[in-house]
Amino acid sequence: DTEVTQTPKHLVMGMTNKKSLKCEQHMGHRAMYWYKQKAKKPPELMFVYSYEKLSINESVPSRFSPECPNSSLLNLHLHALQPEDSALYLCASSPTSGGFHDETQYFGPGTRLLVL
Amino acid sequence: GENVEQHPSTLSVQEGDSAVIKCTYSDSASNYFPWYKQELGKGPQLIIDIRSNVGEKKDQRIAVTLNKTAKHFSLHITETQPEDSAVYFCAASNKRLSFGAGTTVTVRA
Repeated sequence: DTEVTQTPKHLVMGMTNKKSLKCEQHMGHRAMYWYKQKAKKPPELMFVYSYEKLSINESVPSRFSPECPNSSLLNLHLHALQPEDSALYLCASSPTSGGFHDETQYFGPGTRLLVL
Repeated sequence: GENVEQHPSTLSVQEGDSAVIKCTYSDSASNYFPWYKQELGKGPQLIIDIRSNVGEKKDQRIAVTLNKTAKHFSLHITETQPEDSAVYFCAASNKRLSFGAGTTVTVRA
């Protein structure tokens, strides 16, 4: 099973709201990723967790707060977002220790976020 | 950091014809090159990958070639079908995955 699941599929939020995106995998992977994808663009890396520890933060604004409660779950907490944060948010996972350099990443279907 | 260029940005082919997408990368230390297919409303799905110690890999109608000296790699799809219509992303990996800009492939019936 190479499935990564994400909830919700769609989310509309106001600029003062607080919401969370959730990601789950049961492949025993120890690295998990958040990407942001704007329309007609490639995914952009936001965060990487390796063994439940934050390994990479690609200078993401603090209104995005990641959390990895356990090896199967990854959350992205959203607060005070801007309309330009509207995008598809993708979660991915990979098998090993998060060396990142030669690991196959498996992507979820994404959460389509609209900030009003 | 790694810079991946992908061409063409759009590609329209007749059903049954072949499609070729080319990518170049800048970091000679990159050693893993996956290709992802993204259909409308879905996340990217890995379709094939190649590592730097291999020059060519094939999986049914899909093949990838890698030229490390020239730092370029290509995706070949033969006998295209309407379900091959999607956006295709190449990527190169050294420490982190760097994606090309994507190619929108349309297969005309």
